Amino acid sequence: GAVVSQHPSWVICKSGTSVKIECRSLDFQATTMFWYRQFPKQSLMLMATSNEGSKATYEQGVEKDKFLINHASLTLSTLTVTSAHPEDSSFYICSAETSGSFYNEQFFGPGTRLTVL
Amino acid sequence: GQSLEQPSEVTAVEGAIVQINCTYQTSGFYGLSWYQQHDGGAPTFLSYNALDGLEETGRFSSFLSRSDSYGYLLLQELQMKDSASYFCAVVSTDKLIFGTGTRLQVFP
Repeated sequence: GAVVSQHPSWVICKSGTSVKIECRSLDFQATTMFWYRQFPKQSLMLMATSNEGSKATYEQGVEKDKFLINHASLTLSTLTVTSAHPEDSSFYICSAETSGSFYNEQFFGPGTRLTVL
Repeated sequence: GQSLEQPSEVTAVEGAIVQINCTYQTSGFYGLSWYQQHDGGAPTFLSYNALDGLEETGRFSSFLSRSDSYGYLLLQELQMKDSASYFCAVVSTDKLIFGTGTRLQVFP
């Protein structure tokens, strides 16, 4: 089956630092990857959509300068949280979509728990 | 605006049947998916309905009524391991839009 990995699985950082999260599709090429944020006991909120080789499309209200997304290859997308603050503490989940799907089937990574002190 | 509403919490005992409803209001609709998420884990795909009617996959079934903008997930023969959060998600033009989520607690 389609497997998506994320690294790191958890990270603790000091306020003001930047954190990079990697999302990889291990056994398929992902034309599109998605980044979600999930606060405790809440739903998944789409942050941005990234396509390989092009700029990410951010959802309304998501600061593109704060959440930098790079989709450099068909198997890797990265999310960098710049100048992280405690309110950025959350569970960040990526997903990858394969080309040729008859509908938008997304395969989810295991998530990265970010804690900003 | 876009919204997908679900009950916040459902409780049941092992062996029972539960139905989790989802009403949606979105622009661009291709179908309705359901995902399961255990605490701290990733969402896992359960089912997808593009057309009206019932789709059955083992103990889980999913229903869609496009005219009513309504769907539900039916879980039968509940097991303790089914305790998790369940999300409906509209398959929109170029993305998934997730519902508010329902926390299911199964008791022995």
